[in-house]
Amino acid sequence: AQSVTQLGSHVSVSEGALVLLRCNYSSSVPPYLFWYVQYPNQGLQLLLKYTTGATLVKGINGFEAEFKKSETSFHLTKPSAHMSDAAEYFCAVEGFGNEKLTFGTGTRLTIIP
Amino acid sequence: DTAVSQTPKYLVTQMGNDKSIKCEQNLGHDTMYWYKQDSKKFLKIMFSYNNKELIINETVPNRFSPKSPDKAHLNLHINSLELGDSAVYFCASSQGTLGELFFGEGSRLTVL
Repeated sequence: AQSVTQLGSHVSVSEGALVLLRCNYSSSVPPYLFWYVQYPNQGLQLLLKYTTGATLVKGINGFEAEFKKSETSFHLTKPSAHMSDAAEYFCAVEGFGNEKLTFGTGTRLTIIP
Repeated sequence: DTAVSQTPKYLVTQMGNDKSIKCEQNLGHDTMYWYKQDSKKFLKIMFSYNNKELIINETVPNRFSPKSPDKAHLNLHINSLELGDSAVYFCASSQGTLGELFFGEGSRLTVL
């Protein structure tokens, strides 16, 4: 069984401030972890993913996430928020050998000018 | 050239009607999916096909029937529409697993 919990359904940060979106996962097998972004009225697109190897993963648009097995976390960060980062962000997990991707409930990121 | 395209983008219909949503991908992927996103943005998988074979069928009412005529197409037909079917339906595709999905722009279904 696998699940994802995203803490905070809404996060607001000022333009230029640090973005931190939290994700904790549960998986009975080694997990593959993902962050997707959804802009208004669009489909989701992959931001970054962790499969194996380096635990700090860099993605598009300056985002990165760190896999911490001991904390079962995969938090998403960006050093300096930009207005164009306003969107809905989804964390997702796929257990090794499982063909199904399970999404979290999403976090809406608002950027304050 | 859109990678995953869905039609129609918007559907407004009455309860009890039947409707279809079509999806096509030009990425050469083997696997296609239907996801449902509710009004709270919760995203739930409904079906998955690999090379025209159904591999995931979540607990979805049998009023929903997917069809994959070939590996580039996955359609969704819904019979006897209910108010609770109102949602955005996303088609997606992937090559194998590892969660790297490519999504269409969604089809917003409103049942009145």
